Amino acid sequence: SAVISQKPSRDICQRGTSLTIQCQVDSQVTMMFWYRQQPGQSLTLIATANQGSEATYESGFVIDKFPISRPNLTFSTLTVSNMSPEDSSIYLCSVHTYLNTEAFFGQGTRLTVV
Amino acid sequence: AQSVTQLGSHVSVSEGALVLLRCNYSSSVPPYLFWYVQYPNQGLQLLLKYTTGATLVKGINGFEAEFKKSETSFHLTKPSAHMSDAAEYFCAVRSTGGYQKVTFGTGTKLQVIP
Repeated sequence: SAVISQKPSRDICQRGTSLTIQCQVDSQVTMMFWYRQQPGQSLTLIATANQGSEATYESGFVIDKFPISRPNLTFSTLTVSNMSPEDSSIYLCSVHTYLNTEAFFGQGTRLTVV
Repeated sequence: AQSVTQLGSHVSVSEGALVLLRCNYSSSVPPYLFWYVQYPNQGLQLLLKYTTGATLVKGINGFEAEFKKSETSFHLTKPSAHMSDAAEYFCAVRSTGGYQKVTFGTGTKLQVIP
């Protein structure tokens, strides 16, 4: 299994600013995933982050808006840039480990943009 | 390509009654199937998973699900609902092999009536 720590757990931000969310895993993982969960909705994959390469973004998400860093095998950050109220969501970090078929999730970051 | 359909965004049951949450999937290759639960203001927790072998899988908190390939279904059941089961439940699918992304259904919010 994997234990994931995500920071901050919640934040209230002013529109036009940026927020960086950190994800720390207790073991080395090849791929990390960032999801968005808008109010009352399911999880939507934003991007997949491999260590040592550019993140792969899903349709509808772009690097300028959601830049991702993956400096090593246990850490990643997601930045939500130039925020608007529409960015108010829960952002979740997720990993798969080599030995497990399921995804493990952090507790999420609840972002409110005012 | 893969997708998940959850029938019923809200389900209400009486305490002690049968819980049945429906999930149908689409996948071009044999899938891994999962049920996750999300309690308010928390991340996702794995309830159970199907990978290979026995088609009836048991999970935590008395839940179980049956993989029916002919019906492309993976419905979640619990014989007797408890108040603590009130949460949102997500069915998810992932293709086998390597680090494949997970696709989530739209979720079913379970209400348990005393």
